[in-house]
Amino acid sequence: AQTVTQSQPEMSVQEAETVTLSCTYDTSESDYYLFWYKQPPSRQMILVIRQEAYKQQNATENRFSVNFQKAAKSFSLKISDSQLGDAAMYFCAYANSGYALNFGKGTSLLVTP
Amino acid sequence: GAVVSQHPSRVICKSGTSVKIECRSLDFQATTMFWYRQFPKQSLMLMATSNEGSKATYEQGVEKDKFLINHASLTLSTLTVTSAHPEDSSFYICSARASGGPYNEQFFGPGTRLTVL
Repeated sequence: AQTVTQSQPEMSVQEAETVTLSCTYDTSESDYYLFWYKQPPSRQMILVIRQEAYKQQNATENRFSVNFQKAAKSFSLKISDSQLGDAAMYFCAYANSGYALNFGKGTSLLVTP
Repeated sequence: GAVVSQHPSRVICKSGTSVKIECRSLDFQATTMFWYRQFPKQSLMLMATSNEGSKATYEQGVEKDKFLINHASLTLSTLTVTSAHPEDSSFYICSARASGGPYNEQFFGPGTRLTVL
């Protein structure tokens, strides 16, 4: 079974600064997908960024980027120029093709002015 | 982007009654839908995988007779909580995977908050 570990229950960052959220996972598969989801107080799950395991290049979406280390099974999320609207729960997730998402326990991100 | 709706968004019911939650993909066909449960301040836990036209696959520990799932069309899956009890109170979220969609992407509904008195 695959497991996803987020070791930071809570993180805090000042507005305009950069923060990195950690995620590690365990799998014996070679082909899989990794995701970061954001869940604001509305509880709507919002996809932040995705990474295909076969791609060596780290995914980037505007202010969000990942550091994907396949050998180390690490998938961290970097948020640059943090904004107040970035405050939310962030979940790291793993999935094999066609299968459901396996979520970590989440990291609550606080953004201070 | 693809839109998934859930109805109702919030429901309060008495212990022993049954509650049906609908999950619809509004602008795409979803061969697979997933049902998750999220307790306060916790992560999403997969309950079952629903494939159109076939029986749902339940995760270990999820009672299939209590959580009835029907996926009768490519745009609709329903979750019925039968004989609900207070411990079933939770936030239920569905997601839908588009037929032939890339990257295994799933689109999430807004969730349903169930409170059983």
